[in-house]
Amino acid sequence: DQQVKQNSPSLSVQEGRISILNCDYTNSMFDYFLWYKKYPAEGPTFLISISSIKDKNEDGRFTVFLNKSAKHLSLHIVPSQPGDSAVYFCAAGSNQAGTALIFGKGTTLSVSS
Amino acid sequence: DGGITQSPKYLFRKEGQNVTLSCEQNLNHDAMYWYRQDPGQGLRLIYYSQIVNDFQKGDIAEGYSVSREKKESFPLTVTSAQKNPTAFYLCASSILAGGETQYFGPGTRLLVL
Repeated sequence: DQQVKQNSPSLSVQEGRISILNCDYTNSMFDYFLWYKKYPAEGPTFLISISSIKDKNEDGRFTVFLNKSAKHLSLHIVPSQPGDSAVYFCAAGSNQAGTALIFGKGTTLSVSS
Repeated sequence: DGGITQSPKYLFRKEGQNVTLSCEQNLNHDAMYWYRQDPGQGLRLIYYSQIVNDFQKGDIAEGYSVSREKKESFPLTVTSAQKNPTAFYLCASSILAGGETQYFGPGTRLLVL
């Protein structure tokens, strides 16, 4: 039973356009959410996070939106660049001691020039 | 230069053989984690450790073992009981347990001969 779901395995976007990656979760007790970016044969790198008490966090071209009532978050990349082509993982975490992040299965983003 | 190192980058295992994957961090992080990545499966948690000499099973611990004798090191042994060991293994660490932002190593790809 997946607690964090990324329902789109892949997304293709043209350079300069907006990329929107989506993530749904089932556990309303999560305290924060993170997005990681991963290139093939490398470890994931942290991209951006958002606390459950906020609805938006922005960092340069990356913005994460959180809709708690819908248990949904999204990552917006504007403008998209070819170097953004990678697998993006959504993850959810709790402040409760002894817990670990729960990851979605990832969405592969392809940005064409 | 702080970070997480994993070695080797590629590892080959013969049938019935135990192999150990190395993970070292010099970030002074308390918590360390091992994940396995398979195509289309995202990141699945194998084991994690909140503190030296303590560790907990993740979602897919069967066929694996770990130790945490030093804060900096969290080696993972893939035993002969793991029937499908071919995967990309990722080690991560975070300042505290509780799922805070995790920082990942470059990964080790394990292949069975």
